[in-house]
Amino acid sequence: AQSVTQLGSHVSVSEGALVLLRCNYSSSVPPYLFWYVQYPNQGLQLLLKYTSAATLVKGINGFEAEFKKSETSFHLTKPSAHMRDAAEYFCAVGLPYNTDKLIFGTGTRLQVFP
Amino acid sequence: DTGVSQDPRHKITKRGQNVTFRCDPISEHNRLYWYRQTLGQGPEFLTYFQNEAQLEKSRLLSDRFSAERPKGSFSTLEIQRTEQGDSAMYLCASSVGLAGANEQYFGPGTRLTVT
Repeated sequence: AQSVTQLGSHVSVSEGALVLLRCNYSSSVPPYLFWYVQYPNQGLQLLLKYTSAATLVKGINGFEAEFKKSETSFHLTKPSAHMRDAAEYFCAVGLPYNTDKLIFGTGTRLQVFP
Repeated sequence: DTGVSQDPRHKITKRGQNVTFRCDPISEHNRLYWYRQTLGQGPEFLTYFQNEAQLEKSRLLSDRFSAERPKGSFSTLEIQRTEQGDSAMYLCASSVGLAGANEQYFGPGTRLTVT
């Protein structure tokens, strides 16, 4: 069975500091991996996705993530946090040739302090 | 591109009542998904349509839940005899593309409160 674990339900950083949100996955086959962001009272927006091409994936708003098969990880990073980055972030796994459902982690709430 | 829309955005109902939610996907998207999100959790898959065919249902979708997508356009999710445990955000998403690799575009959700 596929699963996603997000370590740290809350992460706090200062504005301008590095953002690191952790995601580990479990999958019996090479997965597709996604990071979504959810702002208050809004739906989820895709930040980036890994689909077996380049292992370093760049997304919107300056975020990027690196797929590391040996560590079964797909951590999300941003070199310099902005106040507007404060939101809930979800990692998700999908399977090739599956019915397209996504398995989400429990989310990490990012707080950015001035 | 007007995005995925959901109606209503909020619904308060008494236990035992029936409720129906509507989702309008992005017009050219043939796949439509329903997820449920409870406080402090990530979205959980409920069901999935490809065009008008409902191809998968989660075990979370009890007999009180039914979803339809007539003519492969909008979709409705009905909950009969609501229970307090049904209180959650119900998210709809749509997509087009290769299985497993497609980006799912999410609507703003319908927040259900059962009193």
